[in-house]
Amino acid sequence: EVLLVESGGGSVQPGGSLRLSCAASGFAFSNHWMHWVRQSPGKGLVWVSRINSDETTSDYADSVKDRFIISRDNAKNTLYLQMNSLTPDDTAVYYCARWANGNMLDSWGQGTQVTVSS
Amino acid sequence: DIVMTQSPLFLPVTPGEPASLSCRSSQSLLYSNGYNYLDWYLQKPGQSPQLLIYLNSYRASGVPDRFSGSGSGTNFTLKISRVEAEDVGTYYCMQALQAPLTFGGGTKVQIK
Repeated sequence: EVLLVESGGGSVQPGGSLRLSCAASGFAFSNHWMHWVRQSPGKGLVWVSRINSDETTSDYADSVKDRFIISRDNAKNTLYLQMNSLTPDDTAVYYCARWANGNMLDSWGQGTQVTVSS
Repeated sequence: DIVMTQSPLFLPVTPGEPASLSCRSSQSLLYSNGYNYLDWYLQKPGQSPQLLIYLNSYRASGVPDRFSGSGSGTNFTLKISRVEAEDVGTYYCMQALQAPLTFGGGTKVQIK
């Protein structure tokens, strides 16, 4: 069974940093691109970032570019999102998701809450 | 960026009746291989999103056959042949053609 478990969320002041993790199991993690998607309170889904299987390619939404860094450790089957210079607009539930053949996000984690407030 | 627009915002449905959700993209999602790179996701209340339909018309594993996707280019439709109570939630379309991936604003399906 494919399992994605996010962690690392919490409350942080504006300007602060957080590092999210997504532990993957039940599949060949190193074979898949991985994504982060977020959802602000009461709002829709917004794509944040993606990384390819061997960490040579990554992309970001304009809203997080130069502040967030996506990475992965294939030996630990773990995806990361380093979030810096956080603002209240970054308050959201952050989901990691697996990208599968057929161009789809076929498995999602349960999400981790990030709250940015003074 | 490709802009995705969904309608309606809210859709009250009667169990056993059909439902139709619309999604439009600002650019064609039809790739040279003949596939439309359009996915549908359902987020049930209090849950993570789940994949329903990929490549416009292919049901994900375990998705009931009452769900079907159709359309091409810039206009797409998700149909539920007979709505069941468990189908309530917010449905999102997403273009999977290019980064940044973009989602529609969602259609919230509620039981009348």
